[in-house]
Amino acid sequence: EDQVTQSPEALRLQEGESSSLNCSYTVSGLRGLFWYRQDPGKGPEFLFTLYSAGEEKEKERLKATLTKKESFLHITAPKPEDSATYLCAVAGGGADGLTFGKGTHLIIQP
Amino acid sequence: DTGVSQDPRHKITKRGQNVTFRCDPISEHNRLYWYRQTLGQGPEFLTYFQNEAQLEKSRLLSDRFSAERPKGSFSTLEIQRTEQGDSAMYLCASTPQGDSGNTIYFGEGSWLTVV
Repeated sequence: EDQVTQSPEALRLQEGESSSLNCSYTVSGLRGLFWYRQDPGKGPEFLFTLYSAGEEKEKERLKATLTKKESFLHITAPKPEDSATYLCAVAGGGADGLTFGKGTHLIIQP
Repeated sequence: DTGVSQDPRHKITKRGQNVTFRCDPISEHNRLYWYRQTLGQGPEFLTYFQNEAQLEKSRLLSDRFSAERPKGSFSTLEIQRTEQGDSAMYLCASTPQGDSGNTIYFGEGSWLTVV
């Protein structure tokens, strides 16, 4: 059974204070690892897909990296508008649905 | 830009009533998914369609739940005899045909409150 564990559950940062969110996973036959952003009361918004260890992708202040056991979402010089819940999910193991973690609730204080 | 559309966005119903949610996927996306999300949890997979065929169901999908996708276009998710434990956000998502590594795009969700 595919499993995804995200840490920390919540993170409070000052504006401009860089940090990283962790996503550890176990899956048989990783077909893709996904990062989503979710604002309160809304559906997940796609950020990145990573397919193989060593791969990195960037978008504005966010960079996602992937190893064989975990992924990191690095946030550089965050702004208050980056406040959201960040979800990690994997596709693999023969199941066609994504398996999600519980998310990291990120708060950026001005 | 037309993303995944869900209706209604919010529904309050009394326990025991039936409710139906509709999802219109992104145009030309062959695969359509339903997920459920409760507060503080990540989305949980319920079922998915490849065109009009329902190919996989989660054990979370009890016999009170039924999903359809007639003609491979929009989809409906019906919950019969609702229970308070059904209160959640129901998310629809779609992706182009391909292996499961394709990016899945979500709608804004339909909130269900059972009172």
